[in-house]
Amino acid sequence: AQKITQTQPGMFVQEKEAVTLDCTYDTSDQSYGLFWYKQPSSGEMIFLIYQGSYDEQNATEGRYSLNFQKARKSANLVISASQLGDSAMYFCAMREPNTGNQFYFGTGTSLTVIP
Amino acid sequence: GAVVSQHPSWVICKSGTSVKIECRSLDFQATTMFWYRQFPKQSLMLMATSNEGSKATYEQGVEKDKFLINHASLTLSTLTVTSAHPEDSSFYICSAADPVRAFGYTFGSGTRLTVV
Repeated sequence: AQKITQTQPGMFVQEKEAVTLDCTYDTSDQSYGLFWYKQPSSGEMIFLIYQGSYDEQNATEGRYSLNFQKARKSANLVISASQLGDSAMYFCAMREPNTGNQFYFGTGTSLTVIP
Repeated sequence: GAVVSQHPSWVICKSGTSVKIECRSLDFQATTMFWYRQFPKQSLMLMATSNEGSKATYEQGVEKDKFLINHASLTLSTLTVTSAHPEDSSFYICSAADPVRAFGYTFGSGTRLTVV
């Protein structure tokens, strides 16, 4: 089974609007970490936000927030006030400390911000 | 956050030659680094886990004799693509555990390899 599922291959959003990128995950561990990374066309992976499995509050980092619904095993990324520079690929990832520390990545969502 | 430097950022080589990619942790020690491969418009696939002072652990399906990994120091891991073929053309990216952020990983800027 896929560890991380991103069901939106591509998304469009109007500049200054908010957009939600979906991510669901699969794990039987109690301790895990969820991440979102942005990958612009240059290829670098830019860390955006992190949510720990025991964190009770949803993580926020500036215009990024993570809508963490543990029972549903979802960790959606919300980008508020979209900017043209937000156009990029976005990857959801999970790390399970008990299984070798590797990252499991989703297939990514390509976000295009329309002026 | 911590910085991982990866070089070169792009390389073109002829079929049959070998190419070395370096991944260096700046200002922190990385006992473990990870090497990923990414095909166009696809996700990152873990190739191997590089352990300082010991042999790398390769994921299933990754040829260890083709993708040689050396992690000789706490700040440097190298990936050598040996006898490169056009099908090895891809984007290779390394990462290391970020000592600042709990659970976090920081990534190198990636290397785009084209084999002609």
